[in-house]
Amino acid sequence: DVKVTQSSRYLVKRTGEKVFLECVQDMDHENMFWYRQDPGLGLRLIYFSYDVKMKEKGDIPEGYSVSREKKERFSLILESASTNQTSMYLCAGGISKSTDTQYFGPGTRLTVL
Amino acid sequence: AQTVTQSQPEMSVQEAETVTLSCTYDTSESDYYLFWYKQPPSRQMILVIRQEAYKQQNATENRFSVNFQKAAKSFSLKISDSQLGDAAMYFCAYRRSSYSGAGSYQLTFGKGTKLSVIP
Repeated sequence: DVKVTQSSRYLVKRTGEKVFLECVQDMDHENMFWYRQDPGLGLRLIYFSYDVKMKEKGDIPEGYSVSREKKERFSLILESASTNQTSMYLCAGGISKSTDTQYFGPGTRLTVL
Repeated sequence: AQTVTQSQPEMSVQEAETVTLSCTYDTSESDYYLFWYKQPPSRQMILVIRQEAYKQQNATENRFSVNFQKAAKSFSLKISDSQLGDAAMYFCAYRRSSYSGAGSYQLTFGKGTKLSVIP
């Protein structure tokens, strides 16, 4: 089975801290995605990457950056965490075929105090 | 831009009964893919079923089936013989099929429907 793992299930940080969320996939997927999930808003795309060192902004990139130095790893960075970034963060991987299914990680519940 | 609308924030169904979750979408594309994802309380999002727009036949996966109405841009999910394990958030999602740049394969999600199953 395809596996997408995220470094933490729960994370608590303070306002102003730099936060790293890590995502690793084991299926050689070209595409990787970071979503933010909030009640009543569904999933919103923050950033995605279609190749190593390549990245594109999604719908809500403000306050976030990403890094993809290796194909299997895609990191989401909060440069200076704020309380409005308290949320569930989901990572997904997928291959570049039109029939592709995205496979999701278990999510990281981030609380910023 | 594509949009996906799930008009039912919450639904409930009696165990062993059938329930239908609604989804409508808006697109100017003629070919695309539609998905239903399930997110149980454990939070791992998993694919339930996928429909390719160029196929007229509705997709089915065991107790899960869809009613795809392309002209109406409607994509509902039917769950038959509901089980306690079906209780979850269900998300409808859209993806274009033609490649037109780096963002082509991103998913657009609806806001979700929370399904409760009553024993």
